Amino acid sequence: KAGVTQTPRYLIKTRGQQVTLSCSPISGHRSVSWYQQTPGQGLQFLFEYFSETQRNKGNFPGRFSGRQFSNSRSEMNVSTLELGDSALYLCASSLSGLAGFYTSTDTQYFGPGTRLTVL
Amino acid sequence: TQLLEQSPQFLSIQEGENLTVYCNSSSVFSSLQWYRQEPGEGPVLLVTVVTGGEVKKLKRLTFQFGDARKDSSLHITAAQPGDTGLYLCAGPGSSNTGKLIFGQGTTLQVKP
Repeated sequence: KAGVTQTPRYLIKTRGQQVTLSCSPISGHRSVSWYQQTPGQGLQFLFEYFSETQRNKGNFPGRFSGRQFSNSRSEMNVSTLELGDSALYLCASSLSGLAGFYTSTDTQYFGPGTRLTVL
Repeated sequence: TQLLEQSPQFLSIQEGENLTVYCNSSSVFSSLQWYRQEPGEGPVLLVTVVTGGEVKKLKRLTFQFGDARKDSSLHITAAQPGDTGLYLCAGPGSSNTGKLIFGQGTTLQVKP
């Protein structure tokens, strides 16, 4: 079974530009979560999508947005890039995405990430 | 606010030594997970602990979930250079939908 794939793996942008990152979940997984990882803040939750609906959102400005398609593939977009947006962006997929009371369907599997550098 | 605090943040040891990494919170978590991440890659799940007091073993790695489900530990016996990496503990956010809260991580370096 193929794992979670993310494209592109590396991206260099300049301040003010916008960027779109893509995530293809494991086949059959309907939940996709996005995280930002930086040395200072660690891994922080951005948002989660399930069946094309955003179910949960972290504390990030509105410049960060996402969507999910009918095939469960997801994209996230960052507009008006700032230097502080430089980070590793990770997506994770799971069958159900219900992280409250753990069941095996909740397990999140991470992709390799997209390394975004903003100059 | 749910927080997970890991200690130590950095650990550099010689091959063959034992080590323990701690993950603590003031909040109760229904489960905790441990991940290992290598540079440039995403975290890989090592184990999920669900029951208070639970102990799980994965070869030379032993994971424990505190009785009150507020803390967890990872113990590595006879560390090897292949154990080098970033170890992260994570627990589900209270919103119950696809959100994991992560500790800051412990960077482990095992020297041959």
